[in-house]
Amino acid sequence: GAVVSQHPSWVICKSGTSVKIECRSLDFQATTMFWYRQFPKQSLMLMATSNEGSKATYEQGVEKDKFLINHASLTLSTLTVTSAHPEDSSFYICSATSGSYEQFFGPGTRLTVL
Amino acid sequence: KNQVEQSPQSLIILEGKNCTLQCNYTVSPFSNLRWYKQDTGRGPVSLTIMTFSENTKSNGRYTATLDADTKQSSLHITASQLSDSASYICVVSAEAGTALIFGKGTTLSVSS
Repeated sequence: GAVVSQHPSWVICKSGTSVKIECRSLDFQATTMFWYRQFPKQSLMLMATSNEGSKATYEQGVEKDKFLINHASLTLSTLTVTSAHPEDSSFYICSATSGSYEQFFGPGTRLTVL
Repeated sequence: KNQVEQSPQSLIILEGKNCTLQCNYTVSPFSNLRWYKQDTGRGPVSLTIMTFSENTKSNGRYTATLDADTKQSSLHITASQLSDSASYICVVSAEAGTALIFGKGTTLSVSS
């Protein structure tokens, strides 16, 4: 199956700093990428939908100025958590699709904000 | 409101035993239903995807069923192994390429 990678796999940062997470589709072109957040023992919660070359669509309650999404190419989307706070600590997962109903998930990035 | 509900919330079984996980959904229109396995600290991995016209689909020891009339699905795991310990998530898509609707998952623990 198609492969989606994320980098870094985990990151620890100080409160107030910004963190960038990369999501790459390795062997296919992703017209759409999705960013999810997952808290312990909870299901994945969609944060935003990103289409290549256009602005991301954010879900209700997700601050677009805090979670900056850039989908610069058909194989790369980035999520930047700006001015991170401890409550932003979570497991961030991206998924990618080439337009079919198949979505491929990345391995996730564990963010810990001290 | 589009929802996906799973039961049981958690399950403990002995290695070698079979088990069945349930999923009920109210998503409309319906495009497809997926079962994912998520190991702790990892991203979900697809087990099966079924469209409206499919009633059953197998992937090794995993067999998923779908009843589109009653909007129910099940995932049957045969001859469980310790490595089957994970969260199993039922996910429904309303239309191709749209956001997925996730169930909260069933946490399966297989013990020796």
